[in-house]
Amino acid sequence: DVKVTQSSRYLVKRTGEKVFLECVQDMDHENMFWYRQDPGLGLRLIYFSYDVKMKEKGDIPEGYSVSREKKERFSLILESASTNQTSMYLCASSPDVTDTQYFGPGTRLTVL
Amino acid sequence: DAKTTQPPSMDCAEGRAANLPCNHSTISGNEYVYWYRQIHSQGPQYIIHGLKNNETNEMASLIITEDRKSSTLILPHATLRDTAVYYCIVRTGNQFYFGTGTSLTVIP
Repeated sequence: DVKVTQSSRYLVKRTGEKVFLECVQDMDHENMFWYRQDPGLGLRLIYFSYDVKMKEKGDIPEGYSVSREKKERFSLILESASTNQTSMYLCASSPDVTDTQYFGPGTRLTVL
Repeated sequence: DAKTTQPPSMDCAEGRAANLPCNHSTISGNEYVYWYRQIHSQGPQYIIHGLKNNETNEMASLIITEDRKSSTLILPHATLRDTAVYYCIVRTGNQFYFGTGTSLTVIP
């Protein structure tokens, strides 16, 4: 089975802090994705990566950056956290960019 | 971009079939229909996907109409553990567009 893990289930940070969310997959997938999920809005794509050191903006990249130094790891970075970034963050991976995506358990981030 | 429309909520009796509808009237010929579900506070779980033909796996069946404008996910014998939000998604290239889904409650 595909396993996608995220570094924290719950995280509380203060406004202005730099926040790192880590995602690791163990299936040698080429593609990895970061979404945020908010009530009434469904899941929205922030960034995705189709190869090491490659990244593409999704629908809502503002306020976020990403890093993919190794194939199995994809990090989401909030350079200066703001209260409107309080959300559930979901990481996913897929073997091919057009293939089924497998999700991690999510990180619920609260920015105070 | 094709989008989907689902009823916000449904109930189903335990042991009965749950039929979850989805409209995707603007779907184009090369866009797949995917179904995921999300149990409270967990990440979405893949269920099934299809392009034109009906599909079945160990979890569910997917029925796609001939004109591809709608589909139905069928859970043949719903259990309490099937209570979740079910998302019907049209995949466009590398993008999955999740809507707000259908909240299915399985009642004992």
